[in-house]
Amino acid sequence: AQSVTQPDIHITVSEGASLELRCNYSYGATPYLFWYVQSPGQGLQLLLKYFSGDTLVQGIKGFEAEFKRSQSSFNLRKPSVHWSDAAEYFCAVGGSQGNLIFGKGTKLSVKP
Amino acid sequence: EAGVAQSPRYKIIEKRQSVAFWCNPISGHATLYWYQQILGQGPKLLIQFQNNGVVDDSQLPKDRFSAERLKGVDSTLKIQPAKLEDSAVYLCASGTGANVLTFGAGSRLTVL
Repeated sequence: AQSVTQPDIHITVSEGASLELRCNYSYGATPYLFWYVQSPGQGLQLLLKYFSGDTLVQGIKGFEAEFKRSQSSFNLRKPSVHWSDAAEYFCAVGGSQGNLIFGKGTKLSVKP
Repeated sequence: EAGVAQSPRYKIIEKRQSVAFWCNPISGHATLYWYQQILGQGPKLLIQFQNNGVVDDSQLPKDRFSAERLKGVDSTLKIQPAKLEDSAVYLCASGTGANVLTFGAGSRLTVL
């Protein structure tokens, strides 16, 4: 069965510092992979997605993610974090029926 | 385009009472999903509709939860009777396929 692991529950970075959020997936075939962001009291907003092709995917708000099949990973990165990036980030894998299977999320705090 | 609409945004009830949540998907989206997000966890799929038919309801606690999507557009999720552990945010999402979902803002349920 498909599953997603986000090893870090909470990460704190300083404003302007770089960011990497980890995501590992379990899936037999080539996965569809996603990153969503959720601000307090809001729904989930799609940051980026990977279906096939170039393994480095660009998303909105300056985020990117790299698909590494050998490591079953799809880590999210941003070179310089802004205070407005503080939120919860969810990695997800596409299920066989067209749904999404989510990880438990990583909460990002940004220090001034 | 208009997003996924959900109501109510907040609901507080006592255990053993009933509650209903409503969702209006993006126009033209054939697939509709209800997810449950318990505090500190990632969203979990409760039920998935394709038009007005159920694709997956394997994680829906059918002794107390029910959902319908009459006419293949709006959907209602009902809980009766509610338990304390049903306190969560109920997210509705819609999509056209290929696992790309657009989420509503969610309905936060507190069961006392």
